[in-house]
Amino acid sequence: GAVVSQHPSWVICKSGTSVKIECRSLDFQATTMFWYRQFPKQSLMLMATSNEGSKATYEQGVEKDKFLINHASLTLSTLTVTSAHPEDSSFYICSARFRSSSGANVLTFGAGSRLTVL
Amino acid sequence: QKEVEQDPGPLSVPEGAIVSLNCTYSNSAFQYFMWYRQYSRKGPELLMYTYSSGNKEDGRFTAQVDKSSKYISLFIRDSQPSDSATYLCAMSDDGNNRLAFGKGNQVVVIP
Repeated sequence: GAVVSQHPSWVICKSGTSVKIECRSLDFQATTMFWYRQFPKQSLMLMATSNEGSKATYEQGVEKDKFLINHASLTLSTLTVTSAHPEDSSFYICSARFRSSSGANVLTFGAGSRLTVL
Repeated sequence: QKEVEQDPGPLSVPEGAIVSLNCTYSNSAFQYFMWYRQYSRKGPELLMYTYSSGNKEDGRFTAQVDKSSKYISLFIRDSQPSDSATYLCAMSDDGNNRLAFGKGNQVVVIP
């Protein structure tokens, strides 16, 4: 099956520093990956769509300069939270599109990265 | 009105009971409907995937879609403590790319 690996699973950083989160598709190639953010007891909110070899597409209200996305290869997308502040503390989850054995396009999610900014 | 409405619960049931979850939505263009299971501090895991209206069964899980009522359901038969998790409905109008999620419904199955 399709596996998406996300690293780190949790990170604590000081306010003002930058944090990079990696998302890798382990056994398939993903031209498109998605980055979500989830607050406690809340739904997943799509932040941006990461496209291999081109610029990411950001959802309305998401700051491009704050959440830098790079999709340099078919198996790796990174999200960098720049100049992090406590309000950026959240659970960040990536996903990648995978074609199942039945032919359906499904999204496979990583295990998530919990960011805590002090 | 949000695109997808889902009662967050929590829902507690005894082991062996049937769990019934549902979501309503407002966007009539949605064609693809999914249910994900999310354990605490983990990413969502796809449980069921349905295209358009109808029923789909997979083991103890049954997904139903009623597009005329803009209503989808997930049933879990013979529930087990390992089914305790948050269940999220999700839907899309473009083949599972940009998903709209419900808030998630926390389910607790009591041994």
